[in-house]
Amino acid sequence: QVQLQESGPGLVKPSETLSLTCTVSGGSISSFYWSWIRQPPGKGLEWIGYIYYTGSSNYNPSLKSRVTISVDTSKNQFSLKLTSVTTADTAVYYCAREVYHRSTVTTYYAFDFWGQGRMVTVSS
Amino acid sequence: SSELTQDPAVSVALGQTVRITCQGDSLRSYYASWYQQKPGQAPVLVIYDKNNRPSGIPDRFSGSSSGNTASLTITGAQAEDEADYYCNSRDNSGNHPWFGGGTKLTVL
Repeated sequence: QVQLQESGPGLVKPSETLSLTCTVSGGSISSFYWSWIRQPPGKGLEWIGYIYYTGSSNYNPSLKSRVTISVDTSKNQFSLKLTSVTTADTAVYYCAREVYHRSTVTTYYAFDFWGQGRMVTVSS
Repeated sequence: SSELTQDPAVSVALGQTVRITCQGDSLRSYYASWYQQKPGQAPVLVIYDKNNRPSGIPDRFSGSSSGNTASLTITGAQAEDEADYYCNSRDNSGNHPWFGGGTKLTVL
């Protein structure tokens, strides 16, 4: 059974950089898309960005200028950096695996495994 | 278009059937996936592809799709089904995943 675990500081000061790491166990990080998703208190889910195991990445256009996602296949980890944070970045941050299937009859994506979430508060 | 639209709240009587919908242009190209989220917990995938359930998801959960609308149906809703439900799909370019705003399901 694949498991994901977020780690990193739970408190970040405004204007600083938020850094989180997701460790994948029970399976290889090779293949699949690996995403960061966040959820501000009382609000919905927001996709931040993903990285493919090859290193190619894609980001939410609204966050693109501040986000970097990287992967370390030797450690089965991927990481998030979000720069110049403000209180609006306070949220639970989840890492998740996204599966992709394409055939002649169907095309789908789905987030099948999620970490438990890491609450990050931006405050001085 | 990247927008996926869900009704903010839906209620259902215990044991009855409820449908939660998700609308968006990208749903003409990609099947939606559906997630259940209970307070303080991570989302859990309940439906993916045309109508597939991951292992451990009860068969009272089913999915369907028509045009730009995807639906999650719970047949015989149970008290434990009370939760927030989110739909998800890629945008028309296939490059960006997006989530609907979520539907809060209350079981009366």
